[in-house]
Amino acid sequence: QQQVKQSPQSLIVQKGGISIINCAYENTAFDYFPWYQQFPGKGPALLIAIRPDVSEKKEGRFTISFNKSAKQFSLHIMDSQPGDSATYFCAASRGYGQNFVFGPGTRLSVLP
Amino acid sequence: EADIYQTPRYLVIGTGKKITLECSQTMGHDKMYWYQQDPGMELHLIHYSYGVNSTEKGDLSSESTVSRIRTEHFPLTLESARPSHTSQYLCASSESGPGANVLTFGAGSRLTVL
Repeated sequence: QQQVKQSPQSLIVQKGGISIINCAYENTAFDYFPWYQQFPGKGPALLIAIRPDVSEKKEGRFTISFNKSAKQFSLHIMDSQPGDSATYFCAASRGYGQNFVFGPGTRLSVLP
Repeated sequence: EADIYQTPRYLVIGTGKKITLECSQTMGHDKMYWYQQDPGMELHLIHYSYGVNSTEKGDLSSESTVSRIRTEHFPLTLESARPSHTSQYLCASSESGPGANVLTFGAGSRLTVL
């Protein structure tokens, strides 16, 4: 119930294309769903996050879509750029940072 | 500019050695965490602290120990390193309350035990 599943494990996209990463969770007590971006040699950094009271959140080229009934959420990167090449982790938590659980990560490569 | 610092960034040591991974943050965050990260795997929480003199074990069993004597400092110690301890160790911190959902990570310490 604590697990967050993430797919695909790796993703290759052409520059300008759309990158889509999907996550699913089981624990309905989760109420905060962030995405972290990690570049090689760096720690993960918060990219964008959503709460279950909205179905979509957009920040620039990055959008989270949230489906509460299906217990799924996804990250969409529009107009993907080579600089977006990184590993992306979805996560879930409840309350104030309790039970923070990360997905296994997706390695995104954007070809120039 | 990083507000959370980890040293050493890379460490190669022999089996049986004692090592301490340092983590310091300048943000005054109450909460600090240690995660273990292996390639292609999720981050696993091994220790956390909600304040000075408060430490707890995380979800993943670890033979390491931690201490929190000062708010800004959260070192992790392995008394006798083994090859199974080879991994990347990430330190993170967050505020208390609503800000606790935003984790700030250090760049990590990559440990190799021969």
